[in-house]
This record gives sequence, C-alpha cells and structure tokens, in this order.
Amino acid sequence: AQSVSQHNHHVILSEAASLELGCNYSYGGTVNLFWYVQYPGQHLQLLLKYFSGDPLVKGIKGFEAEFIKSKFSFNLRKPSVQWSDTAEYFCAVNAGLSGGYNKLIFGAGTRLAVHP
Amino acid sequence: GAVVSQHPSRVICKSGTSVKIECRSLDFQATTMFWYRQFPKKSLMLMATSNEGSKATYEQGVEKDKFLINHASLTLSTLTVTSAHPEDSSFYICSAGTGGDEKLFFGSGTQLSVL
Repeated sequence: AQSVSQHNHHVILSEAASLELGCNYSYGGTVNLFWYVQYPGQHLQLLLKYFSGDPLVKGIKGFEAEFIKSKFSFNLRKPSVQWSDTAEYFCAVNAGLSGGYNKLIFGAGTRLAVHP
Repeated sequence: GAVVSQHPSRVICKSGTSVKIECRSLDFQATTMFWYRQFPKKSLMLMATSNEGSKATYEQGVEKDKFLINHASLTLSTLTVTSAHPEDSSFYICSAGTGGDEKLFFGSGTQLSVL
C-alpha cells in the first residue's frame, strides 16, 4: 500500500529563514505528487503538484518542490519564509489507478510557525 | 475559484444517534467526491470515494454500514455516521473534483464530537 511520510511534525522559523519540508513516499510505480497547505481557519489549498516533466515544480507564493525519483522524495522548499506562511503543510500522493487527483494519500502534516 | 461547502462545521451528539454531514460543490459539478477523516496530529485518512449515481467505494477497514455515503446529485454528497460512538469523534473532510487532472477542492471540515 502507498504511504507518505513527512519528517517534521512541527517547524518553527524566523522570517526570512529558508524552509525545507521533507516528504517521502512508498510506491514503486508512476506517481502524482502534491503539496497542500491549510492556513488557520481555512480550507486545504493546493500549493503545487507534480505529474510529469521537469522534476522541479514551482507553485504559488514562492514555493517549489523537487521530485527525486531515486529517493522517493518530494521535498517542499521556500528560500525566505514570511509570517503569512504560518500554516499546516500536507504532502500527498495519488493512489488511484487513473492517477491525477483521485484517491490522494496524505502525510501526517507539518505545522509551520513563522515568527516575525 | 471553485468552492466546496461542508456543513455543519461542528456537531456534538449523544452516543447512539446518527449524524449527517453534507458536502456541496457550489459552482461546479463534482462527478467524484472523497470523504476523509483526520485524527488529532494524524494525517487525513481516505474513507471512501463517492461517485454520482453509484455506490461509494470504501477503503479497507472502513465500515460501510456505519458510514453511509450518498451522492445523489452532481453537487451534493452526504456522509451519515450511524449509531455514533465516542470513538467516531473526529474531523471529517470532504473534497470534490471533476476527475482527471482537474483540481480537487476541499471542504472546511466537520468536527464531530460524540458524548
């Protein structure tokens, strides 16, 4: 069965610090990978996704993620975080045979707190 | 952007009663809706996939007779927790998509507390 592992449950950074959140998945076949963000009191929102092509994916709000197939990883990065990036971040992989957004399997989430 | 409305946001019920949670796609037709459950400090766990006009597909370990899912229209799916018990207390989230590579949109979730 597919699974997703997020290494850090809670990250605390100061503004302007660089961010890297780890995500590893277990599945040997073709995968679609996602990062979602949930700001306090808001819905889950898609940050970025990888389906195919360039393994370095750029998303909204200055986030990017790199798919490294050999490491089964899809780490999320941002060079300089802002206070407004305080949120919970979820990595996800699709489990559906049809791929795409169907049957996403989520990691446990990483709660990011950015201090001014 | 597309909006998925989930109602209620919070519900407290007595043990043994049933609770219905609604998930509506407000400005698009959702051929597929997904129901997730989230325990504190844990990941979202996919419970079932709901397709309009057909029976839901439940994930392994999820009791279909306890968690009744109905997707009667392209804009509405409901999850009914039947004979709720304290261990059913959790955060339930729905999501809706149009399939394929279209985006998946999430509801705001329902916090269920069973006393």
